[in-house]
Amino acid sequence: DAGVIQSPRHEVTEMGQEVTLRCKPISGHNSLFWYRQTMMRGLELLIYFNNNVPIDDSGMPEDRFSAKMPNASFSTLKIQPSEPRDSAVYFCASSFIGNQPQHFGDGTRLSIL
Amino acid sequence: QQQVKQSPQSLIVQKGGISIINCAYENTAFDYFPWYQQFPGKGPALLIAIRPDVSEKKEGRFTISFNKSAKQFSLHIMDSQPGDSATYFCAAPMNRDDKIIFGKGTRLHILP
Repeated sequence: DAGVIQSPRHEVTEMGQEVTLRCKPISGHNSLFWYRQTMMRGLELLIYFNNNVPIDDSGMPEDRFSAKMPNASFSTLKIQPSEPRDSAVYFCASSFIGNQPQHFGDGTRLSIL
Repeated sequence: QQQVKQSPQSLIVQKGGISIINCAYENTAFDYFPWYQQFPGKGPALLIAIRPDVSEKKEGRFTISFNKSAKQFSLHIMDSQPGDSATYFCAAPMNRDDKIIFGKGTRLHILP
């Protein structure tokens, strides 16, 4: 079975550029989560969707961050403009609604120069 | 905001020994406490989970012990192996959807 698929795996870009991270959840899952992982702050939930609807975006650090889920099989996390402090590993995860195990992708390692 | 406090931050154990990682959570009315395992370059993966209607759950060499009154739960890895070297995260639910809060993680290293 295909797991959660994230792209790109690595992204290096200059400060001020727009960055778009992509996620394909596991087919049939109806919850989708975006996380950011850093050494200092650990694994932080940025936003999550149920049935393609954003439920809680309180973890989104600033207005520079936005996320969309146009359909059940695709989501994007966009940073515009990007800053060096956005450098981190970004994970997408999916699950069935209702305290079910979350399945993570392998992440996008983002470096903002 | 609810927190999950995990300790220790790092742990070194001899092969064959017992690895113990502890977590404490704040008020929660909900009933699902998972542990995730993460290898370098990979996303976290569910290792084992417990619902607090039981005090212990065992899967192979991995055991979760749960103390509801103390709001604590712990992961025990018996007969630890070098392949267990990874980062381990505990988590606790925030609400009845799927929002969970992760501990800061424990980096476990098993000496060969």
